[in-house]
Amino acid sequence: SYELSQPPSVSVSPGQTASISCSGDKLGDKYACWYQQKPGQSPVLVIYQDTKRPSGIPERFSGSNSGNTATLTISGTQAMDEADYYCQAWDSRTAVFGGGTKLTVL
Amino acid sequence: EVQLVESGGGLVQPGGSLRLSCAASGFTFSSYWMSWVRQVPGKGLEWVANIKQDGSEKYYVDSVKGRFTISRDNAKNSLYLQMNILRAEDTAVYYCARAIIRGPLTYYFDYWGQGILVTVSS
Repeated sequence: SYELSQPPSVSVSPGQTASISCSGDKLGDKYACWYQQKPGQSPVLVIYQDTKRPSGIPERFSGSNSGNTATLTISGTQAMDEADYYCQAWDSRTAVFGGGTKLTVL
Repeated sequence: EVQLVESGGGLVQPGGSLRLSCAASGFTFSSYWMSWVRQVPGKGLEWVANIKQDGSEKYYVDSVKGRFTISRDNAKNSLYLQMNILRAEDTAVYYCARAIIRGPLTYYFDYWGQGILVTVSS
């Protein structure tokens, strides 16, 4: 079965750029998306089809996908961006999630 | 405004059954694939099942095949998950989610419910 791998944690200082990676076999041949989940809340879609932002998602969130790695980039990270982030792709009629990355803003 | 509201969770003994419901509003329910996604408390997300707009196609994660059944009632704008032969490892928060599926590559969840806790324990 298809697998996506994410680093368990990433730390960033306020105002700096955070990058969260998601790795999978030939992931660049698929579309990746990203969800943000804050404690006690439901996931929120922040990036879909590799690079697109849903309405209401700040421009500081961006995405890329090439080769075996998709990347979520948060520019000018703010304290409110501290959350868990999950990548997701589609393979063989199933949705596959990465294990999640806890982003700490300190 | 899109709203998805789950109900039907609770405590059930191993081997028991439970039926989850999801009431949808704010969009044309019959035009969208719908899904269930679960999350063990403190752990990651796991997709559980999908159902096509007219109910003609259904897909499941291997761990629930033969035990869970996804269904929908477009006249009632409702999604369901019948869970049988429940195991301790099915304990999780279950989310109803609207799925955007276009062609072979595009698949994401653009709206999620608040989630409902299912606890399987004796």
